[in-house]
Amino acid sequence: DTEVTQTPKHLVMGMTNKKSLKCEQHMGHRAMYWYKQKAKKPPELMFVYSYEKLSINESVPSRFSPECPNSSLLNLHLHALQPEDSALYLCASSHPRGDTQYFGPGTRLTVL
Amino acid sequence: GIQVEQSPPDLILQEGANSTLRCNFSDSVNNLQWFHQNPWGQLINLFYIPSGTKQNGRLSATTVATERYSLLYISSSQTTDSGVYFCAVLNNDMRFGAGTRLTVKP
Repeated sequence: DTEVTQTPKHLVMGMTNKKSLKCEQHMGHRAMYWYKQKAKKPPELMFVYSYEKLSINESVPSRFSPECPNSSLLNLHLHALQPEDSALYLCASSHPRGDTQYFGPGTRLTVL
Repeated sequence: GIQVEQSPPDLILQEGANSTLRCNFSDSVNNLQWFHQNPWGQLINLFYIPSGTKQNGRLSATTVATERYSLLYISSSQTTDSGVYFCAVLNNDMRFGAGTRLTVKP
């Protein structure tokens, strides 16, 4: 099973809402990643978890809060987002950090 | 940080044509991946290719690590090949090029 799943597929939220994005993999990978992709741009790394510990936070605003409850799950909690945060949010995993990354289908987020 | 440049930025082909996409990178890297992003946003792994040549059906890739470039070859293109092709380099973490947007016309 080389699948990374993400829910929801689409999300529309207001600037005062709190929502969460979820990512799951069952490949036994120990590194998981969140990326943000704006239209017509490449994905940009937001967070890296390695062995359930946060390794990198690429200067992401605190309105984005990651969580890794176990080795298979990765969440991204959203609070007080801005319209410019509207983007495709991609989750990925790899066996160790630095190995081949496998991407989920993404959550397309719209902030009104 | 490392710079990744892809060319051409846009490519329009007639079905059946061949093409070569290029990826240059500014420093040595541990690994390199090629992805195809379909119109729905899914990033599909094509190749994990730190060096050498690999082939998978109509697609092949070559990385010359000492000269800091990689090439993706698409032969006998089909309309389903349309989308954005990304090169991404890995040291500890992945950095993407800007992509090549491919349109294959019937």
